[in-house]
Amino acid sequence: DSGVTQTPKHLITATGQRVTLRCSPRSGDLSVYWYQQSLDQGLQFLIQYYNGEERAKGNILERFSAQQFPDLHSELNLSSLELGDSALYFCASSLAGVAHTDTQYFGPGTRLTVL
Amino acid sequence: AQSVTQLGSHVSVSEGALVLLRCNYSSSVPPYLFWYVQYPNQGLQLLLKYTSAATLVKGINGFEAEFKKSETSFHLTKPSAHMSDAAEYFCAVSDNAGNMLTFGGGTRLMVKP
Repeated sequence: DSGVTQTPKHLITATGQRVTLRCSPRSGDLSVYWYQQSLDQGLQFLIQYYNGEERAKGNILERFSAQQFPDLHSELNLSSLELGDSALYFCASSLAGVAHTDTQYFGPGTRLTVL
Repeated sequence: AQSVTQLGSHVSVSEGALVLLRCNYSSSVPPYLFWYVQYPNQGLQLLLKYTSAATLVKGINGFEAEFKKSETSFHLTKPSAHMSDAAEYFCAVSDNAGNMLTFGGGTRLMVKP
């Protein structure tokens, strides 16, 4: 158990809909990362937050947005969903948000299926 | 931009045999390199990381990796495979600012009894 929790575990929805994925980081970790894992694209970095502020952005679509709240949990919002958005979405957390000095601890993921 | 390439999407070894998973990187600056493992239906777990302190890096579960600048490689090895090593393994590199990880395509390791 990494200490990172993600809800829900599974999500099935229809095209055009909007969903929210939630992540609670490990106790004491200030940084949260979101990744998408799909058969087509592999494992891709989406976005990083540190102590409530956006720190880095990867290949995140404009239809996707995220935020980190004062209690440090984070939410990833996916809207106008398309079939191609079906994937496993991982959240990871680290202490200070620097990939090569910190260790990123990954949650178990949320599997999103868009029908 | 940094990138990593994992050679072989599937590797099969017998229990007790040497495990060798290949990773080559591309980076314009000294890289920071990582190996992660993903067991079925689980998130990723860090096996080891190279941050320029030593070229031979020892990780958890008996794995180690050697950074070879001349070959731009960071291959993962384990002397003797165990059935519990069956999983998917990802090589990754961090960006210059150290904010994000860029992952390779992954290698699925199968261990035969």
